[in-house]
Amino acid sequence: QKEVEQNSGPLSVPEGAIASLNCTYSDRGSQSFFWYRQYSGKSPELIMFIYSNGDKEDGRFTAQLNKASQYVSLLIRDSQPSDSATYLCAVKPTGGSEKLVFGKGTKLTVNP
Amino acid sequence: DTEVTQTPKHLVMGMTNKKSLKCEQHMGHRAMYWYKQKAKKPPELMFVYSYEKLSINESVPSRFSPECPNSSLLNLHLHALQPEDSALYLCASSHPIRSGTEAFFGQGTRLTVV
Repeated sequence: QKEVEQNSGPLSVPEGAIASLNCTYSDRGSQSFFWYRQYSGKSPELIMFIYSNGDKEDGRFTAQLNKASQYVSLLIRDSQPSDSATYLCAVKPTGGSEKLVFGKGTKLTVNP
Repeated sequence: DTEVTQTPKHLVMGMTNKKSLKCEQHMGHRAMYWYKQKAKKPPELMFVYSYEKLSINESVPSRFSPECPNSSLLNLHLHALQPEDSALYLCASSHPIRSGTEAFFGQGTRLTVV
């Protein structure tokens, strides 16, 4: 069973702080990693994807991938109340399948 | 344009009704997905179509019947559903042949079975 694990939270940070969201995965051969943001009652919105070891930055978001440790993280700098949402980590496992395996999500609250 | 359009946005149906959910994308993606999401749970994969052929069926009950009429459209036909089938139904699309490609979700259909 190919699994993706996330801390369910809730994670609470003050406005302006750095929020750090973590994800581990069991399929060592996985190549593609995604972070989705989901507001309550809405559909998941892709905010970051990363395929190579290291860091990838996009505005206030940084995704970090360490394939040796089977670990992917999302950092949100200068957190805003509008960042309050559930963040879903998703992994595309090996085998040529289009299937995305989701973690259970981490609920983030940014306090003004 | 990364838009996946789903209709209707909300649907209430009785257990004896037949209804269909529709999904459309014009990004040239050749993989399309149906997911089901219950409250406070992650999306749960139901079906994947790749190049208009069903490639993954996650042992979904036959009261859910997918259809892919062409590369831009995906339907989910519903018949004799149960109240526990009430959920947010999400359509997504991606390129299937590039292993690293990302999937984009539609806004979802909120289904209530009464």
